[in-house]
Amino acid sequence: DARVTQTPRDKVTEMGQEVTMRCQPILGHNTVFWYRQTMMQGLELLAYFRNRAPLDDSGMPKDRFSAEMPDATLATLKIQPSEPRDSAVYFCASGSGLHQPQHFGDGTRLSIL
Amino acid sequence: AQTVTQSQPEMSVQEAETVTLSCTYDTSESDYYLFWYKQPPSRQMILVIRQEAYKQQNATENRFSVNFQKAAKSFSLKISDSQLGDAAMYFCAYRRPGNTPLVFGKGTRLSVIA
Repeated sequence: DARVTQTPRDKVTEMGQEVTMRCQPILGHNTVFWYRQTMMQGLELLAYFRNRAPLDDSGMPKDRFSAEMPDATLATLKIQPSEPRDSAVYFCASGSGLHQPQHFGDGTRLSIL
Repeated sequence: AQTVTQSQPEMSVQEAETVTLSCTYDTSESDYYLFWYKQPPSRQMILVIRQEAYKQQNATENRFSVNFQKAAKSFSLKISDSQLGDAAMYFCAYRRPGNTPLVFGKGTRLSVIA
């Protein structure tokens, strides 16, 4: 089965460090989503891309977060500098077509000390 | 903005019994999609079932079925013959037409008692 691949699976780092999370969408999927899951806020959209162009990044703190799609096979989410409140599970999902569901990666669990 | 509400933070069910998880949503759209996702401790997000709003027939997938009440904006999930492997967080989600972002409820944690 085709899968969305996220790396790393887990990341522990100190406050102030740069964090980069990567996502390989399913081949042929033209839309990529980044969601963040926390106990307090639940699952919320950070940003999403279609055909590599950003459509909505209103959920991202602009001063420290950035999301890009260097090519169709790679999406990145960067945090610089990281803060303890960024600790969460970050999911990437991809999709295509009007009626198809999104497919999720296994997430990156980020812990900022 | 669309919102999704799951009013049951936790539920429990005896193995082999039936349980229903509730979900309500708010939207002004007439066409949309609704989903139930399962998240086990492994944290994978697994699609359980989906419903297109334009379809009147309730979706079913093996032991999982939904009760979709469009006028009431209600979308409950029924799990029949519950199994230990059904224990997980269950999220209800809404999506506008097209390949658009999901809006999630806060989730219901389901425990299955042997």
